[in-house]
Amino acid sequence: TQLLEQSPQFLSIQEGENLTVYCNSSSVFSSLQWYRQEPGEGPVLLVTVVTGGEVKKLKRLTFQFGDARKDSSLHITAAQPGDTGLYLCAAAFGNEKLTFGTGTRLTIIP
Amino acid sequence: NAGVTQTPKFQVLKTGQSMTLQCAQDMNHEYMSWYRQDPGMGLRLIHYSVGAGITDQGEVPNGYNVSRSTTEDFPLRLLSAAPSQTSVYFCASRSGATGNTIYFGEGSWLTVV
Repeated sequence: TQLLEQSPQFLSIQEGENLTVYCNSSSVFSSLQWYRQEPGEGPVLLVTVVTGGEVKKLKRLTFQFGDARKDSSLHITAAQPGDTGLYLCAAAFGNEKLTFGTGTRLTIIP
Repeated sequence: NAGVTQTPKFQVLKTGQSMTLQCAQDMNHEYMSWYRQDPGMGLRLIHYSVGAGITDQGEVPNGYNVSRSTTEDFPLRLLSAAPSQTSVYFCASRSGATGNTIYFGEGSWLTVV
């Protein structure tokens, strides 16, 4: 069973600060997705990355896929309270199954 | 725009009871799956299906059964509920390849006492 490790598990920062969360595996991904989940709801897709070294931007969020396709990061610039939530990475390891990481619970303090 | 619909939203069961969590999607997606989410454990795949009549086990299948008689529906059955099955359950669907968007239902909160 492939494992995805996310770090940190919890992160609480002040509004306006920058932050980075990480997603790592010992195995190569064929694709990786980042989701955000709010309390009482299902996860919602933010981005999919498929090419090693790929960088995608979504407003203040920057997603990077590692060159070796074993890691990914999510960087948030000038965090806002609306960014609060559980951030999940999910990877495909060449089959139909999608493996989820344990998540980073982010709290932005106004 | 229904998307993925799960019922019930909340359920309390006694140990040993059986029940079915319903899941329906109206997007004609081939792939459907069930996950459970526990604190500190992320989402773990229970069962999945790549099309009507085809199902397969995920990471944590024990104690659960599924069937896929139609493209739209993918029910999850708990055969004899145990306290360890207390969790939040999410049904999801997607079209085509693994890298495509997965759409999740709103979740079903199950407590087994």
